[in-house]
Amino acid sequence: KQEVTQIPAALSVPEGENLVLNCSFTDSAIYNLQWFRQDPGKGLTSLLLIQSSQREQTSGRLNASLDKSSGRSTLYIAASQPGDSATYLCAVIITGGGADGLTFGKGTHLIIQP
Amino acid sequence: GAVVSQHPSRVICKSGTSVKIECRSLDFQATTMFWYRQFPKQSLMLMATSNEGSKATYEQGVEKDKFLINHASLTLSTLTVTSAHPEDSSFYICSASSIRGFGDTEAFFGQGTRLTVV
Repeated sequence: KQEVTQIPAALSVPEGENLVLNCSFTDSAIYNLQWFRQDPGKGLTSLLLIQSSQREQTSGRLNASLDKSSGRSTLYIAASQPGDSATYLCAVIITGGGADGLTFGKGTHLIIQP
Repeated sequence: GAVVSQHPSRVICKSGTSVKIECRSLDFQATTMFWYRQFPKQSLMLMATSNEGSKATYEQGVEKDKFLINHASLTLSTLTVTSAHPEDSSFYICSASSIRGFGDTEAFFGQGTRLTVV
């Protein structure tokens, strides 16, 4: 059974710092991996989607890498801002994408201090 | 952790029929539930936000008359795909939020429903 772990569970840093959020998964047979952000009381906002054949994706100050063989992904946030405060979720889709295709980590709760 | 149960996990229906998907929070009260849809090779897209006791809020481009959402209790939200067509075939997933403490929310997800319209 695929398990997704995110470390750290919570992180609080002053603004301006560069951050790395980690995601690991137990079964490397994934279809793709997604990073989401969720603000309190809100739904998910998709940040980056990495297909299994890709090694990284970039969007603005965000960069996500994927190492399928080691079962790891990292989300790098450059020059963090208070508006980046949210919960960041990593999710993988297993190969074949059946009904149990989406497996999420529990998230990293990020607070950026002004 | 809290559990969100989504049913059915997989459904195949004929074009023109309606399909109901249930999302239940098993051990907590969810004032807000979210419905997402994911097409092959695409990201999850938020369809609507379901609030207990009030009308759902739909995202732009989502037809509210086609995707009926009912959130009649604090533990159950349903999504009904009316007059389904093959282009509605997709993976639907719900999420429920449990508010713990001031300003601290945690979201839990169902396992998803694979809908195939033939």
